[in-house]
Amino acid sequence: AIQLTQSPSSLSASVGDRVTMSCRASQDISSSLVWYQQKAGKAPKLLIYDASTLESGVPSRFSGSGSGTDFTLTISSLQPEDFAAYYCQHLNTYPITFGQGTRLEIK
Amino acid sequence: EVQLVESGGAVVQPGGSLRLSCAASGFTFDDYTMHWVRQPPGKGLEWVSLISWDGGSSHYPDSVKGRFTVSRDNNKNSLHLQMNSLRTEDTALYYCAKENHQDAFDLWGQGTMVTVSS
Repeated sequence: AIQLTQSPSSLSASVGDRVTMSCRASQDISSSLVWYQQKAGKAPKLLIYDASTLESGVPSRFSGSGSGTDFTLTISSLQPEDFAAYYCQHLNTYPITFGQGTRLEIK
Repeated sequence: EVQLVESGGAVVQPGGSLRLSCAASGFTFDDYTMHWVRQPPGKGLEWVSLISWDGGSSHYPDSVKGRFTVSRDNNKNSLHLQMNSLRTEDTALYYCAKENHQDAFDLWGQGTMVTVSS
């Protein structure tokens, strides 16, 4: 099974900061990487698919990059509503797996 | 309204069985592959099953293979997960999710809680 390792596991930042988080795959998954945001008590929300394509309705401050085994999610200017957990996922092969998550907290 | 609504969660003893359901509305259900994903309390997301648009293909991770069975009724716009031989480690919030045509889960339900405990 392809393992996805997210780093850091938690991150403290302030409103207006630029933040980046990483997702590393245990083998080449091309661009088959998806990012989700999950707020406390809510279902995950799709942010980015195909590693860098922004889902309709998602603010442009979110961006994704990478291919192969190394991927990055960037938030250009943190807003109060962005404090949440972020998960990466691959659908390249079965089993589908998620990273363990990065928790973004208010500094 | 485009939505998924799960039901069927309960408290069940180890070794027991449970059937979850997911009612879909607002989109053409039989156009899409559907999934179940679970989340233990305070932990991350784990994919549990996939079923193709016509029900002809399904996949599971090793953690549930042979114990869980996914099915769908396209006439009733519904998705189901039959869970047998339940273990304490199956305790989680279970979500159904729709896979779009770009290989991503673009619609999720609110989840239904399964607790396996004696």
